[in-house]
Amino acid sequence: ETGVTQTPRHLVMGMTNKKSLKCEQHLGHNAMYWYKQSAKKPLELMFVYNFKEQTENNSVPSRFSPECPNSSHLFLHLHTLQPEDSALYLCASSQDLSGTNEKLFFGSGTQLSVL
Amino acid sequence: AQKITQTQPGMFVQEKEAVTLDCTYDTSDPSYGLFWYKQPSSGEMIFLIYQGSYDQQNATEGRYSLNFQKARKSANLVISASQLGDSAMYFCAMREVYSGGGADGLTFGKGTHLIIQP
Repeated sequence: ETGVTQTPRHLVMGMTNKKSLKCEQHLGHNAMYWYKQSAKKPLELMFVYNFKEQTENNSVPSRFSPECPNSSHLFLHLHTLQPEDSALYLCASSQDLSGTNEKLFFGSGTQLSVL
Repeated sequence: AQKITQTQPGMFVQEKEAVTLDCTYDTSDPSYGLFWYKQPSSGEMIFLIYQGSYDQQNATEGRYSLNFQKARKSANLVISASQLGDSAMYFCAMREVYSGGGADGLTFGKGTHLIIQP
């Protein structure tokens, strides 16, 4: 059983919908991440939070809005998405951002389809 | 330029054979970490092995070992005695430490799809 839980597992939405992805980690970690995984492309880092503060935003369009209310929960709010946003969205956590050996623990992802 | 390059999009290997998955990386930082993850069809990324840039010996974890050649900027994953359950996507990744001492998320390669045949 993974220590990082993502819901929902699958999501289909229209371009005018608003939805949210949820991630919860039970590992006592302080850093959380959102990654996007599209077919035939490397995982793309979207956002990084450390101790609830956003430390990284990799030029992600504003139609993606992250929220980190505490170190255990991370949300990705979606609105007016485009079909090219269809992908697997992976959440991950690590102890913090202090060193090179901080391995990431991943959830199973949310498979998003935008129609 | 890509920071992580995996040149093998797909590989077919006979069960019980050893397999080497290639990974080269690009960084000018002296301090970095290299990781391998496995992603089965379920989607979850599973950590396999870690190698630090200052580690003198190659990392090993059970059937997994990392062939670290620093001068070549190469970090190949070796799986010994492959099993059917090893069929999955395999990703090489790197974490760099910045001059201020902080780090960031992992940068991933495109992955290699490994299929183990009986």
